[in-house]
Amino acid sequence: SQQGEEDPQALSIQEGENATMNCSYKTSINNLQWYRQNSGRGLVHLILIRSNEREKHSGRLRVTLDTSKKSSSLLITASRAADTASYFCATVWIYKLTFGGGTRVLVKP
Amino acid sequence: EAGVTQSPTHLIKTRGQQATLRCSPISGHTSVYWYQQALGLGLQFLLWYDEGEERNRGNFPPRFSGRQFPNYSSELNVNALELEDSALYLCASSRPGQRDSSYEQYFGPGTRLTVT
Repeated sequence: SQQGEEDPQALSIQEGENATMNCSYKTSINNLQWYRQNSGRGLVHLILIRSNEREKHSGRLRVTLDTSKKSSSLLITASRAADTASYFCATVWIYKLTFGGGTRVLVKP
Repeated sequence: EAGVTQSPTHLIKTRGQQATLRCSPISGHTSVYWYQQALGLGLQFLLWYDEGEERNRGNFPPRFSGRQFPNYSSELNVNALELEDSALYLCASSRPGQRDSSYEQYFGPGTRLTVT
């Protein structure tokens, strides 16, 4: 079974709006990573947050991590049509990267 | 720097046949990971190779096997193909000695396997 579960499964927003997606997991982690996948192609690494960090920023991306609740969120600010993709969280524990089911994001121009 | 490459891009096979998928990691990366992404099932971890050895294996039957060559490239073999093996197979690589436990992975574009 997958470690991470993402919510929502799908999200549709207008260009310029913010997109927020959440990831919950069940066991201990070394770090949590977010990836993007365009149209069933390879995944692109977006951002990594370590288990001792609470928040991290990278450009228009903001990730939070709450280890007490075993959850993380990814916020994309000022979304663009090019942000249309599936977003996956992945937890890392002792060498193993385990992916969640993903959130499909559609940004309408 | 060239990224992770995979071949072929598409592969169509008949049930019962064997499929071989190939992956070349980023130069300097020693770990290679294989994932299966079937429709509606998300990404499922298949295999992890590091320095030529199989380090970890996902919950897949033995007909899924692979190897890593001395140049760190890798092959995934799927024997006795079944219809449900149709999926996108993704390969990823990571740097050696990630003592900080980051294990950030860089993905290839995938091989889409269709079993008819």
